[in-house]
Amino acid sequence: DAGVTQSPTHLIKTRGQQVTLRCSPKSGHDTVSWYQQALGQGPQFIFQYYEEEERQRGNFPDRFSGHQFPNYSSELNVNALLLGDSALYLCASSSVLSETQYFGPGTRLLVL
Amino acid sequence: GENVEQHPSTLSVQEGDSAVIKCTYSDSASNYFPWYKQELGKRPQLIIDIRSNVGEKKDQRIAVTLNKTAKHFSLHITETQPEDSAVYFCAASSSSNTGKLIFGQGTTLQVKP
Repeated sequence: DAGVTQSPTHLIKTRGQQVTLRCSPKSGHDTVSWYQQALGQGPQFIFQYYEEEERQRGNFPDRFSGHQFPNYSSELNVNALLLGDSALYLCASSSVLSETQYFGPGTRLLVL
Repeated sequence: GENVEQHPSTLSVQEGDSAVIKCTYSDSASNYFPWYKQELGKRPQLIIDIRSNVGEKKDQRIAVTLNKTAKHFSLHITETQPEDSAVYFCAASSSSNTGKLIFGQGTTLQVKP
């Protein structure tokens, strides 16, 4: 039974560029949430996808967008990258029937 | 707004001692409280969670207590071992915002052998 997977593991971009991060949920899960974790901080909620729609959103600008596919996998897109977007991006999967979230290993993004 | 405060930020204990980490939440509608352990460079791992209809939950050396009136919850680790050393995060969510976990700032626990 595969857990939550994310790709890529690391990414280096320059300011102004765009990035796409990918997440595959745990088998049997249908909901994906994305979090940003700055160094030394707790994860911050970006948004959640269920049934291919954004169900909830945190306090992140419109530069952050996402998508969920029919197989429940998800993408996080960030446009016009800023230095402050450098962080570990975590996705977490869950079932709509349960609040319990399981995290993937994360994608570490460095913006130069 | 929604907020979770976590204390202490760092905690150092001797192997075999107990460790307690406390969190306070602001949203009175919060009803789900998970705890995650994050080792350096790794993903947060769920270690225990509690729902608002329960006051205490135990799993071997780990226990969580919840005081809804005071809006705080705590993680208790007994008989600590060096492998318990990690950063621990508390979080909270409400039924009106299911799936939106609000995390505390984290506690770095060091267990000295």
